[in-house]
Amino acid sequence: EPEVTQTPSHQVTQMGQEVILRCVPISNHLYFYWYRQILGQKVEFLVSFYNNEISEKSEIFDDQFSVERPDGSNFTLKIRSTKLEDSAMYFCASRTDRNTGELFFGEGSRLTVL
Amino acid sequence: AQKVTQAQTEISVVEKEDVTLDCVYETRDTTYYLFWYKQPPSGELVFLIRRNSFDEQNEISGRYSWNFQKSTSSFNFTITASQVVDSAVYFCALSGDTNAGKSTFGDGTTLTVKP
Repeated sequence: EPEVTQTPSHQVTQMGQEVILRCVPISNHLYFYWYRQILGQKVEFLVSFYNNEISEKSEIFDDQFSVERPDGSNFTLKIRSTKLEDSAMYFCASRTDRNTGELFFGEGSRLTVL
Repeated sequence: AQKVTQAQTEISVVEKEDVTLDCVYETRDTTYYLFWYKQPPSGELVFLIRRNSFDEQNEISGRYSWNFQKSTSSFNFTITASQVVDSAVYFCALSGDTNAGKSTFGDGTTLTVKP
């Protein structure tokens, strides 16, 4: 069964460092998302991406964050200068249709900022 | 604006009991989609079900059933004869037509099933 894959599964970084989280969505999906879940809290929307551009972003997704799809398969989330409060599980997701299809989530990348 | 409320933060039951997880939503969209996801202790998010706003039929899948009531804006999830493996955090989510497919999640309900 096709799946969304994410790397790394866990990354530890120092505050102020740049981090790139990588995702390979399911190949025939058109819509891509990043969500964040701080430990023990709800799943929060960060950004949606379609047709090689951001469709919508949340207040969390400030100038420190960026996304791109550099090669037609990978979908990356970059945090330019990490803060302690960026420590969370980051989930990549993809779907075929904008609303009707289920979100297929990757297993998540746990980011720990020290 | 969209909002999903899961009023039950934690529920604890004994194996074989039935349990219902509540979900109430708010949206201005006339067409919208409701989802339930399970997050076991391992952390991944597992899709359970999707419901369209124009389809109010209830659904049963094995021990799981879902009751969608548009009149009360609720989409409740019942597990019959619960098992220890059902222990997880369960999230209700909502997606509407007027956003870019973004799903808004509730805060989640932590279900603990004791043997």
